[in-house]
Amino acid sequence: TQLLEQSPQFLSIQEGENLTVYCNSSSVFSSLQWYRQEPGEGPVLLVTVVTGGEVKKLKRLTFQFGDARKDSSLHITAAQPGDTGLYLCAGAWNNQGGKLIFGQGTELSVKP
Amino acid sequence: DTGVSQNPRHKITKRGQNVTFRCDPISEHNRLYWYRQTLGQGPEFLTYFQNEAQLEKSRLLSDRFSAERPKGSFSTLEIQRTEQGDSAMYLCASSLVGGGRSSYNEQFFGPGTRLTVL
Repeated sequence: TQLLEQSPQFLSIQEGENLTVYCNSSSVFSSLQWYRQEPGEGPVLLVTVVTGGEVKKLKRLTFQFGDARKDSSLHITAAQPGDTGLYLCAGAWNNQGGKLIFGQGTELSVKP
Repeated sequence: DTGVSQNPRHKITKRGQNVTFRCDPISEHNRLYWYRQTLGQGPEFLTYFQNEAQLEKSRLLSDRFSAERPKGSFSTLEIQRTEQGDSAMYLCASSLVGGGRSSYNEQFFGPGTRLTVL
């Protein structure tokens, strides 16, 4: 059983479209991080959200942390081929050493 | 380059052999984590250190696995008597914990070591 469920698992869209990736859990997290990973490389940190209801923007990417700190979403506006990659959400509890619990990832492909 | 580095990037070995991987964290970071990632999955936690102390080991870390961080800087992960099921990407991450923003434990990952056990 996956503690963090990401949906969809696969997403193939055309350049210019918008998309949303969801990360859901029944657990409350101290913080949640979003990463992007390319094949054969390690995950690259995009953002950390810590406050319930928090919204953060990174250029065309908008991240939201749920009010109860159990879920999060990533919205990409006007997707570009350079956005292609594996998007991972990861939750952490400060009282458990901060180890990250990852979702299974969303594989995004943006076609020109 | 001041990021996390890992060596080797790729390792191919025969079943039953021992392998050792090295991770050099970001220099001022006091925490170091090891994760394992198999194809199509997110990384899974293996173990972590605060300075030189190993504070937690996952149930995934069998007796064949051992990790060290002798001087609180670089870390090594050794797998003895490798099995085909050990084939995976082994990722290292580091963070700085100690107050302020860093208390949220933002972890920065290295490029990983891809292990293939034949």
